[in-house]
Amino acid sequence: GESVGLHLPTLSVQEGDNSIINCAYSNSASDYFIWYKQESGKGPQFIIDIRSNMDKRQGQRVTVLLNKTVKHLSLQIAATQPGDSAVYFCAEDAGNMLTFGGGTRLMVKP
Amino acid sequence: EPEVTQTPSHQVTQMGQEVILRCVPISNHLYFYWYRQILGQKVEFLVSFYNNEISEKSEIFDDQFSVERPDGSNFTLKIRSTKLEDSAMYFCASSGGLAGESEQYFGPGTRLTVT
Repeated sequence: GESVGLHLPTLSVQEGDNSIINCAYSNSASDYFIWYKQESGKGPQFIIDIRSNMDKRQGQRVTVLLNKTVKHLSLQIAATQPGDSAVYFCAEDAGNMLTFGGGTRLMVKP
Repeated sequence: EPEVTQTPSHQVTQMGQEVILRCVPISNHLYFYWYRQILGQKVEFLVSFYNNEISEKSEIFDDQFSVERPDGSNFTLKIRSTKLEDSAMYFCASSGGLAGESEQYFGPGTRLTVT
């Protein structure tokens, strides 16, 4: 069936380094993707989104890249900070429901 | 900043009992959702609700589940006869304010433990 999934379950980076979290999707008709951050004991928090008519979108310290050819998107976090430690999910937004990937845990080492 | 709130934060119930999880969405939002997350797993969509009716539901949302917006502020999820496998975090979300924004804002969740 259609799915949104993640390549790596855990990513450990040094504070100050850049982080890259990857996500693959299988539905070529998907046109809207969102990255969420989930801290322990909290609900998912919106980080950044991208529509399929774009291949790159930048926010504050975060960049999302979308490669429709290989159905892949990534989240880049610049100058990773301890507060970035969380689980990151990509999700496909079908308009009235989100389909989440499996999540990548980002651990930031001081 | 407006936020989605959920009560209770933790609910313990015995198998077979009914539970009602409560949510107060952001006040000017029009679309409401329930998701669940079994411990250590991904977040799964349950149901979306708009204009006082269900607009989409997943296979998980069977006859044991129901949703209701009993008044202008609350949005509830009822599980009629809980099973052990219903143990999970349940997240409410809302979207669609007056500006037509589509971003879903999530509440802090209710942890449901079925014993």
